[in-house]
Amino acid sequence: EAGVTQFPSHSVIEKGQTVTLRCDPISGHDNLYWYRRVMGKEIKFLLHFVKESKQDESGMPNNRFLAERTGGTYSTLKVQPAELEDSGVYFCASSQASTGVYGYTFGSGTRLTVV
Amino acid sequence: QKEVEQNSGPLSVPEGAIASLNCTYSDRGSQSFFWYRQYSGKSPELIMFIYSNGDKEDGRFTAQLNKASQYVSLLIRDSQPSDSATYLCAVNFSGGADKLIFGTGTRLQVFP
Repeated sequence: EAGVTQFPSHSVIEKGQTVTLRCDPISGHDNLYWYRRVMGKEIKFLLHFVKESKQDESGMPNNRFLAERTGGTYSTLKVQPAELEDSGVYFCASSQASTGVYGYTFGSGTRLTVV
Repeated sequence: QKEVEQNSGPLSVPEGAIASLNCTYSDRGSQSFFWYRQYSGKSPELIMFIYSNGDKEDGRFTAQLNKASQYVSLLIRDSQPSDSATYLCAVNFSGGADKLIFGTGTRLQVFP
């Protein structure tokens, strides 16, 4: 079974530019989550999709971040315009059951650097 | 006050020893608790989860939960250099939110 796939693995962009991160969950997983780890801080929740619907986007920092999940398959996270403080590692995770049951599988992450 | 708290370490133990990693959490109503291992530059990997008070063993790993003290720990027996990594404690808080709250992680170093 293929795991959670994220790309790009690294992205370096200038402040003010736009970046789009992509996540392909494990096939058949309805739940898809985005998390972010900023340097020196803990991993923090951004949002949760159930199929194509946003179940919880309480962790999204501001309206510069837009997440979509077309057709309930892959998801994209767009940052526009990027700011310096957006630098960090963005993780995607997926699961069949809800979080509290068995946890979930993370992708390898996208390291975003805004300069 | 941090919601999930861990000592950042590093915790250094000799090969073959027991490594003890600790975590406290603020939400008394939390129901499920997870330990993830993260090697440098890699993604977090789930190694244990526990829901009930007491101990849960899986191979060399034992998770311990004490809800009254709001405390969860991970014991690694017969520690190996390959266990050297950052161990993340994560909690599914009560209130129905389907997400994990992570601690900052404890870095474990196992030396030969």
